[in-house]
Amino acid sequence: GIQVEQSPPDLILQEGANSTLRCNFSDSVNNLQWFHQNPWGQLINLFYIPSGTKQNGRLSATTVATERYSLLYISSSQTTDSGVYFCAVATSYGKLTFGQGTILTVHP
Amino acid sequence: DVKVTQSSRYLVKRTGEKVFLECVQDMDHENMFWYRQDPGLGLRLIYFSYDVKMKEKGDIPEGYSVSREKKERFSLILESASTNQTSMYLCASRVVNEQFFGPGTRLTVL
Repeated sequence: GIQVEQSPPDLILQEGANSTLRCNFSDSVNNLQWFHQNPWGQLINLFYIPSGTKQNGRLSATTVATERYSLLYISSSQTTDSGVYFCAVATSYGKLTFGQGTILTVHP
Repeated sequence: DVKVTQSSRYLVKRTGEKVFLECVQDMDHENMFWYRQDPGLGLRLIYFSYDVKMKEKGDIPEGYSVSREKKERFSLILESASTNQTSMYLCASRVVNEQFFGPGTRLTVL
């Protein structure tokens, strides 16, 4: 099956810093989503981005489908950005395969 | 807004009990999914459903079954709970190509 690798596995930042999270996948996909898992365990949708670039406030994402990677940018990070960020891809029937996640900690 | 709800946030059951986890979506979506999340193993797909009374096995269906009698409700059933089924269970519903998740159920089997 498709492999999804996220990097870095852990990231520690000071408030106000910028960061880039990466997601590599091993096959062509028709869906790619970024999620933020909050401390209570809920997965919050950040982006649906099988290709191209999107922005939402301080967050933006870019997927280069032909090169099989996606990037999530967080600018001016805040303590509320802490949590786990997941990339997930789907090839058929909407079945998502998740990466292992990046644990982000933002210190005040 | 898409809303996916799960019947319990926390659940404690004993080994051998039959356990029902319920998931409800309010957007008339055809596709629904059950995942479990474990430290070090990430999220893994248990079962999914394309439509009422239709179900397909995911990557780890052993020890689980599902039921979808109505479009808005997708139930995960542990026929005889075991300690290795202690986990976080997440339900999702799909609109077009995007999946939306419920708040999750933390199940502990003693």
